[in-house]
Amino acid sequence: IAGITQAPTSQILAAGRRMTLRCTQDMRHNAMYWYRQDLGLGLRLIHYSNTAGTTGKGEVPDGYSVSRANTDDFPLTLASAVPSQTSVYFCASSDTGTSRQFFGPGTRLTVL
Amino acid sequence: GQNIDQPTEMTATEGAIVQINCTYQTSGFNGLFWYQQHAGEAPTFLSYNVLDGLEEKGRFSSFLSRSKGYSYLLLKELQMKDSASYLCAVRDSNYQLIWGAGTKLIIKP
Repeated sequence: IAGITQAPTSQILAAGRRMTLRCTQDMRHNAMYWYRQDLGLGLRLIHYSNTAGTTGKGEVPDGYSVSRANTDDFPLTLASAVPSQTSVYFCASSDTGTSRQFFGPGTRLTVL
Repeated sequence: GQNIDQPTEMTATEGAIVQINCTYQTSGFNGLFWYQQHAGEAPTFLSYNVLDGLEEKGRFSSFLSRSKGYSYLLLKELQMKDSASYLCAVRDSNYQLIWGAGTKLIIKP
């Protein structure tokens, strides 16, 4: 693994289903982030984690949950998917909360 | 509220110079970032400004005026591969990044 990986690359999901998007980084970065990117809008922060064992809510956290059991992994869970959660999801990491962020390749999620 | 404004789309000619502007209104300021994002790919870091003035890095330069809430990204000697979206982001008082919607730059031969 080099950098940040995300899985799956894309997914079509029925409304009401539970889904976990995976994110793993091998840079030993302390901070990790989940964003969604929608056409015509800027990246919007869903949840973040400044260090393993801690998480925080971003701008649009409703309907999403995260956990940070260790430094490398930061999964994002949609408990019961809705069509408005159709988006491209990017995971990012940074050495600290004040340094530049590195992005994973993204997951394209479609909720029908 | 917090707001980052950038033009939606710009067109320029290969070999020319283009300036992409970004104005911001945020709760606090702890630096401004520019990222490049090719279609279907992840954003990649271009530049960071925290003090007023111009930061030059090869063909790309970024300028910041904190008093005016204004930044620009200057791209020189444009190449076809520079066709991408350019994202402006400001780190606010909570050290979270607030992102603009991005400027799609189209390069014509």
